[in-house]
Amino acid sequence: GNSVTQMEGPVTLSEEAFLTINCTYTATGYPSLFWYVQYPGEGLQLLLKATKADDKGSNKGFEATYRKETTSFHLEKGSVQVSDSAVYFCALSDLSNQGGKLIFGQGTELSVKP
Amino acid sequence: EAGVAQSPRYKIIEKRQSVAFWCNPISGHATLYWYQQILGQGPKLLIQFQNNGVVDDSQLPKDRFSAERLKGVDSTLKIQPAKLEDSAVYLCASSFLSGSSYEQYFGPGTRLTVT
Repeated sequence: GNSVTQMEGPVTLSEEAFLTINCTYTATGYPSLFWYVQYPGEGLQLLLKATKADDKGSNKGFEATYRKETTSFHLEKGSVQVSDSAVYFCALSDLSNQGGKLIFGQGTELSVKP
Repeated sequence: EAGVAQSPRYKIIEKRQSVAFWCNPISGHATLYWYQQILGQGPKLLIQFQNNGVVDDSQLPKDRFSAERLKGVDSTLKIQPAKLEDSAVYLCASSFLSGSSYEQYFGPGTRLTVT
């Protein structure tokens, strides 16, 4: 079945460090891929998405490229800020489900220190 | 634009009691989802509605969980009776079709603690 695997956290970085959070997936067909972010005490927010191979999603300095050959969608940011501290979830849309059911990874907690 | 509304935000009950959660999706969003997020895990779909019809409830424990979406707008999720393992955050989301993919918008969630 479809699944998403993320690197385990927590990830602790200093401000202005480079961030990579790895995400790989298993799916039939070519699902859309998403990164969601969950700030403390808040709901999930869509951070970025990519709908086909080689697409690059970007938002707020974060980027991720849909890599079909490696079935990956790694999240990157060149210079993190304290305000980026949150839990990040990689997800794919299940193509067997009418209406875009999401399958999530387990989440990666990011802590950025000043 | 108003977001997805959920209530209550927090609920503490004893096992074997019943509880209900309410969700009001973004206006115009035909698809509504309920997810269960256990601490330290990613959300897992419980049930999905398209207007007021069920699209997917394969992961819903139907012996104790039920959900409805009357008139294709608001939705309620009920647990009766609750078990300790039902302690989780219950997330409601709604979506619209953007290009070739559905973009889901999530509410703040209801944190349920079963003691």
